[in-house]
Amino acid sequence: EAQVTQNPRYLITVTGKKLTVTCSQNMNHEYMSWYRQDPGLGLRQIYYSMNVEVTDKGDVPEGYKVSRKEKRNFPLILESPSPNQTSLYFCASSFIAADTQYFGPGTRLTVL
Amino acid sequence: AQKITQTQPGMFVQEKEAVTLDCTYDTSDPSYGLFWYKQPSSGEMIFLIYQGSYDQQNATEGRYSLNFQKARKSANLVISASQLGDSAMYFCAMREGLIYNQGGKLIFGQGTELSVKP
Repeated sequence: EAQVTQNPRYLITVTGKKLTVTCSQNMNHEYMSWYRQDPGLGLRQIYYSMNVEVTDKGDVPEGYKVSRKEKRNFPLILESPSPNQTSLYFCASSFIAADTQYFGPGTRLTVL
Repeated sequence: AQKITQTQPGMFVQEKEAVTLDCTYDTSDPSYGLFWYKQPSSGEMIFLIYQGSYDQQNATEGRYSLNFQKARKSANLVISASQLGDSAMYFCAMREGLIYNQGGKLIFGQGTELSVKP
């Protein structure tokens, strides 16, 4: 089944404890992206990757890192999480940037 | 200025009836794409339908159709024969042409919560 997977789906952590949210797609998509969804603010792009060679910041990259060592995976790294990073996180992918983006199931993160 | 506006925070529809969810957009880019996504209470974001700015015909996908009025900058979603499982939040989104949008970013509206009554 063609899909985007994220792990974990739910995570409660404490301030400053490094964490990684994994994202993997099995559709051979070049483009991958991370969004966060917050009440009243909607969905905002954190980072994107056009392909394994190109990764860049979105609208709200502060406090996050990403890597794209292989086409299928695009992990989101929070080196020192803070409570304002409590959010619902989505990974998305598409064949190319100009194509329809398909979203993963979301990761609900709470930072205490 | 809001790039995507969804003016209906919440809507009710009777089961088996049709419903229209409004979306207006604002862009000066001649090339753009418009999307509708569904977010049920479980939280996932499900792609429903896509309309390109150069598409001559309105997009349709099963019970979903997109009423695209380019001059009015509107891209309303029409759901025919509503089902109880259609109860969810619906988001309209736009991706501007890659000349202005190097990141392939989707810009989302605030969403419309649809409730289908039995």
